[in-house]
Amino acid sequence: QKEVEQDPGPLSVPEGAIVSLNCTYSNSAFQYFMWYRQYSRKGPELLMYTYSSGNKEDGRFTAQVDKSSKYISLFIRDSQPSDSATYLCAMSYYTSGTYKYIFGTGTRLKVLA
Amino acid sequence: NAGVTQTPKFQVLKTGQSMTLQCAQDMNHNSMYWYRQDPGMGLRLIYYSASEGTTDKGEVPNGYNVSRLNKREFSLRLESAAPSQTSVYFCASSEDRDRGRDIQYFGAGTRLSVL
Repeated sequence: QKEVEQDPGPLSVPEGAIVSLNCTYSNSAFQYFMWYRQYSRKGPELLMYTYSSGNKEDGRFTAQVDKSSKYISLFIRDSQPSDSATYLCAMSYYTSGTYKYIFGTGTRLKVLA
Repeated sequence: NAGVTQTPKFQVLKTGQSMTLQCAQDMNHNSMYWYRQDPGMGLRLIYYSASEGTTDKGEVPNGYNVSRLNKREFSLRLESAAPSQTSVYFCASSEDRDRGRDIQYFGAGTRLSVL
C-alpha cells in the first residue's frame, strides 16, 4: 500500500464549478500537509500548506485536513479554465532524525470554458 | 527573486554519455533536493542536501551523484546515462529540513532524453 494515494483523474468540470481534490494516507505520523499545482511542462508550485486538522482558506482555495480519517482535500471555488493543471498533494513527518516528504501522484484537472 | 533556477531546460544524450544538471536558489535556504518525475510514478527523491556540506541518498539514487557546491548551488551528475534515466528532473529547496521548516519550492525542471 502506498503511503499517499491520489486519484489520477482526469477530472473535467465546467467553468464556475466547485472542485474537490482528495488524498488519503496511511501513516498517522504525517504532520505537514501541502498542495502543489503543476501546469503542463512546468515545475510544481506551492499552493497551500497546513499543519493541523481543520480548514485553511486562501482566496478561492480551501485546504481541509481530517487526521482522524487520514484524508485531506483541496476545494476550488468558482473554478476557471486557468485552474486546469495537475494538483499534487504532499505530506511530511519526522523520522530517524530527519523529515520525510511524500508526494501523491497528482490529479489532472480540466476546467471547461 | 528568481527562486530556484535549473539549467539546462532540455537535453538529449546518447547512452553512456555524462552530463551535469545545475541548480541554484536565491532564497537563502539550507536544504536542497533533486527529484525525478515519471508518468504514473509521481515525484521520487534522488538525493538531498539537508545543509551545506552534507548529502544523502533518497529513494532512487542509483546512477546519480550530487555535489553541494555552496549554500546556493546543488548539482546532479549522470556519469553514464542510460535510457531508464529519461525523465523530467526537478530541483527544490526548503528553509531547513532538519528543523522541520521543510516546505519545498521547485524549479521549472530539466527534460532529459537518453537515446
